[in-house]
Amino acid sequence: QSVLTQPPSVSGAPGLKVTISCTGGSSNIGAGYDVHWYQQLPGTAPKLLIYDNNNRPSGVPDRFSGSKSGTSASLAITGLQAEDEADYYCQSYDSSLSGVVFGGGTKLTVL
Amino acid sequence: QVTLRESGPALVKPTQTLTLTCTFSGFSLSTSGMCVSWIRQTPGKALEWLARIDWDDDKYYSTSLKTRLTISKDTSKNQVVLTMTNMDPVDTATYYCARTEYCTSTSTNFDYWGQGTLVTVSS
Repeated sequence: QSVLTQPPSVSGAPGLKVTISCTGGSSNIGAGYDVHWYQQLPGTAPKLLIYDNNNRPSGVPDRFSGSKSGTSASLAITGLQAEDEADYYCQSYDSSLSGVVFGGGTKLTVL
Repeated sequence: QVTLRESGPALVKPTQTLTLTCTFSGFSLSTSGMCVSWIRQTPGKALEWLARIDWDDDKYYSTSLKTRLTISKDTSKNQVVLTMTNMDPVDTATYYCARTEYCTSTSTNFDYWGQGTLVTVSS
């Protein structure tokens, strides 16, 4: 059972928008700790997609955006493309565990 | 160009100790703010952070695994080593090392990852 809760799967048609939620609690996201997002393509290592809630590393398209409010965070992907089909993970810090925590991951299917 | 590469045994027996090495290039672990973590991914795809070592040799461990883990670094060789004792089949996973460029005590994002190494625990 992951500390951060994500939907197991989401799907969307090409060109449309999807949102992936990441729900935590008062000892992690709700405490103000930053949320980061990773994309994992099949057979590869995770790749940093969004850091510090809403910042994109160089090279990440602006179709990807992040937000945070209260005890939750969200990753939005607009203009869905077939190449976006991957697993997505959120990550933060938890003060009760004194360590990094991840969400369980969300599989995005592009219909 | 930043790269990290994990190495170690693909198969270990229950109760044995696992030793993994992360060899990196393109950055120095003596640079202020830099740190390297170990993260594993189970066959079910869950990610679990294990340990971290900082440029100043501060070390952090997963609360649930800290009695079994030791992390160390050799700055001259650009290597970080993780040992995990008393291995069990539930420890079967792909083990990654990952870099953070600006580590703080509560904020760590992993901007570069190795390709991972699959470790199977079986007799």
